[in-house]
Amino acid sequence: NAGVTQTPKFRILKIGQSMTLQCTQDMNHNYMYWYRQDPGMGLKLIYYSVGAGITDKGEVPNGYNVSRSTTEDFPLRLELAAPSQTSVYFCASSQSNLVFGAYEQYFGPGTRLTVT
Amino acid sequence: QKEVEQNSGPLSVPEGAIASLNCTYSDRGSQSFFWYRQYSGKSPELIMFIYSNGDKEDGRFTAQLNKASQYVSLLIRDSQPSDSATYLCAVNPPNQAGTALIFGKGTTLSVSS
Repeated sequence: NAGVTQTPKFRILKIGQSMTLQCTQDMNHNYMYWYRQDPGMGLKLIYYSVGAGITDKGEVPNGYNVSRSTTEDFPLRLELAAPSQTSVYFCASSQSNLVFGAYEQYFGPGTRLTVT
Repeated sequence: QKEVEQNSGPLSVPEGAIASLNCTYSDRGSQSFFWYRQYSGKSPELIMFIYSNGDKEDGRFTAQLNKASQYVSLLIRDSQPSDSATYLCAVNPPNQAGTALIFGKGTTLSVSS
């Protein structure tokens, strides 16, 4: 199993440009997440999905959009990139735990995005 | 406001010593607790998870949970230079949408040889 894969690894965008960050998992997990990590600030949830066709906002959704057409894929779309979106983006997936609420999440390698 | 607090460090220990990493959380009903290790420039990697009060051991790692004190810790025995990394505590509060985790900002551990 490849686990969670993300592309691209690095990207530089100009202000106002758009791009899609790709995320794919091969573990048949129902739950998928997008986080951003800024230096010294920890991981912040952008969007999540509990299954194909179902997505919802996390803590910091502004400026982003997602879709979940299949169990495996969960792309993150940046529209009109701004310098504040310079960050490292991680995709993660997990199963759900009906007893304890959450199973462990597995992370992809990340995409390092710079907006100038 | 659901919060997970960790000392940012750095926590410095000599090789072979025990490293103790601590985490407190604000939502008393939380049931799932996770420790991740993150090397510089890499993604978080799961080390351990714990659901029940008490200790859980896995090799050189021991997770400790005290729900009454809202406190979770990670002990690393026989610390090695390869353990030098940032350790993230993560908690799943009750009724958290999508079972998402709340992460602390991490504690940086430095093990000197």
